[in-house]
Amino acid sequence: EAQVTQNPRYLITVTGKKLTVTCSQNMNHEYMSWYRQDPGLGLRQIYYSMNVEVTDKGDVPEGYKVSRKEKRNFPLILESPSPNQTSLYFCASRGPNQPQHFGDGTRLSIL
Amino acid sequence: QKEVEQNSGPLSVPEGAIASLNCTYSDRGSQSFFWYRQYSGKSPELIMSIYSNGDQEDGRFTAQLNKASQYVSLLIRDSQPSDSATYLCAVLSGGSYIPTFGRGTSLIVHP
Repeated sequence: EAQVTQNPRYLITVTGKKLTVTCSQNMNHEYMSWYRQDPGLGLRQIYYSMNVEVTDKGDVPEGYKVSRKEKRNFPLILESPSPNQTSLYFCASRGPNQPQHFGDGTRLSIL
Repeated sequence: QKEVEQNSGPLSVPEGAIASLNCTYSDRGSQSFFWYRQYSGKSPELIMSIYSNGDQEDGRFTAQLNKASQYVSLLIRDSQPSDSATYLCAVLSGGSYIPTFGRGTSLIVHP
């Protein structure tokens, strides 16, 4: 089954404690991306990747890092999380001329 | 900056009516257009894609694109309470790797 898998689905943590949200896709897609979704603000791009070892900033990259060492994986890293990063996060992937496929989301709470 | 605008709603329609959702975009170079449905707390689900001017129909859904007016719409015929959700418009510009999303329109279908 074609899918984008995110882990964890839910996480409550504390300010400053480094965390990683993993994302994996099994469709051999070149393009992968991370969004955050907050009430009233819609889906906002954090980072995206065009292929292995090629990444670029989206609209709200501050406080986040990503890496793309393998085509299927695109982890999101919060080196020093802060409460304003409490949000619902989505990973997505797509191939050329295709729409986005989304993961199920990660609800992150930072106290 | 590329912008995608949607009325946040809520748009309230009676069961069985036609729901009309609208989206405008700023980048004239946009080439691909998508409508996603998102239930509260869930990931966006693709319902329609459209790439050329005119209408694209799939069951009860019709997407309409007018590139001259930079306008894309979604019609839902015979609306059902299960159609109650937020509808996201996404636009992919030529040369871009990931689409830009509007903030979404909340649709409520009441019995």
